[in-house]
Amino acid sequence: GAVVSQHPSWVICKSGTSVKIECRSLDFQATTMFWYRQFPKQSLMLMATSNEGSKATYEQGVEKDKFLINHASLTLSTLTVTSAHPEDSSFYICSARGNWAGGGNEQYFGPGTRLTVT
Amino acid sequence: AQSVAQPEDQVNVAEGNPLTVKCTYSVSGNPYLFWYVQYPNRGLQFLLKYITGDNLVKGSYGFEAEFNKSQTSFHLKKPSALVSDSALYFCAVRDTYIPTGGGNKLTFGTGTQLKVEL
Repeated sequence: GAVVSQHPSWVICKSGTSVKIECRSLDFQATTMFWYRQFPKQSLMLMATSNEGSKATYEQGVEKDKFLINHASLTLSTLTVTSAHPEDSSFYICSARGNWAGGGNEQYFGPGTRLTVT
Repeated sequence: AQSVAQPEDQVNVAEGNPLTVKCTYSVSGNPYLFWYVQYPNRGLQFLLKYITGDNLVKGSYGFEAEFNKSQTSFHLKKPSALVSDSALYFCAVRDTYIPTGGGNKLTFGTGTQLKVEL
């Protein structure tokens, strides 16, 4: 149980285009999802916290107009990188927090999406 | 503010020997501590957590961690390492425990690369 999927697993796009990444909780409902960015050989950096039915909360320094987050249902959150540039190339990881009574409330992570902007 | 330190970028150990991956933390209140493992180009897999109770926590794949409040540490251990344990390990701390609703941010350490050799 507690499986989180991401799609696509990798994507290459041209500079100036937009890319959408999906994060789904497959067997549980997730009121809250998180989006992280990871640079090579570095730790995860929290970009934003996504709550179902409300606006995402962005971390300091993260451009909300560039990284659009939508959490339209309890099982799906999307991250859209708008007008992507090479410096946006990174590994993007989402996580979902369990929403069941007695749950540990730990985050379950997706497998990540490798974005390369050429 | 909460923070996590993993003082070793890399740990090398021979297969069959015990391993320790170090983690220290800083929080204002009570810590909620986690260990995750990441294989190349993959998301994070949950290993174990400490919320309250017994200071020795047992997790997946034979790993365990000991919570030491006086030393503000949460070192990951395994009695006998396997080559397949080679991966990147992250320690994480969470702020105020929130059973429902948003928040629940994790702060990650910089990661420790574990290399187990024959």
